[in-house]
Amino acid sequence: AQKITQTQPGMFVQEKEAVTLDCTYDTSDQSYGLFWYKQPSSGEMIFLIYQGSYDEQNATEGRYSLNFQKARKSANLVISASQLGDSAMYFCAMTWGSWGKLQFGAGTQVVVTP
Amino acid sequence: SQTIHQWPATLVQPVGSPLSLECTVEGTSNPNLYWYRQAAGRGLQLLFYSVGIGQISSEVPQNLSASRPQDRQFILSSKKLLLSDSGFYLCACLGHRNTEAFFGQGTRLTVV
Repeated sequence: AQKITQTQPGMFVQEKEAVTLDCTYDTSDQSYGLFWYKQPSSGEMIFLIYQGSYDEQNATEGRYSLNFQKARKSANLVISASQLGDSAMYFCAMTWGSWGKLQFGAGTQVVVTP
Repeated sequence: SQTIHQWPATLVQPVGSPLSLECTVEGTSNPNLYWYRQAAGRGLQLLFYSVGIGQISSEVPQNLSASRPQDRQFILSSKKLLLSDSGFYLCACLGHRNTEAFFGQGTRLTVV
């Protein structure tokens, strides 16, 4: 069965530093999509970045980049130059095959300190 | 882009009462639709998803049901709420290019 794993329940990062959030997935499908979302304390789900399984280049969106290592089945999120407003819960998600189900990982709580 | 309307934002219901949460989508047709539940500080648990009208897949056997009476309407229901049904409920829609999922603002349900 398909599975998304985020092994870091929480982490502290200093302002202006980069942080890497881990995400591994397990699927036998060749076609799948990977997403990262940010959820601040308000509960709103904010889309950050998307990577398709056939995309050869790593996705980037501003300060966010996705380190996609297909052979290792990992899709880590890198946030460069952390800001206080980056403090939130971060979720990795995947959809696959016929693109029906959209499954989320357990999340990583990030706290950015001054 | 798609917009999801989800209401109400908060709801307090007694144990044993019925529930109906509605989600409607604008800006797309024939979207994939999802209901998630989130306990405080936890991840998103997929409850139901739908790839078309009348097509509902259930992920977790429980006290809840879902229906999709129209293309852009997704309803989460319960006949009798349990205390364990409390949580933050999110409706989502996969965009037409499948490269972004759009979320409603969520409903915070407290069963008392």
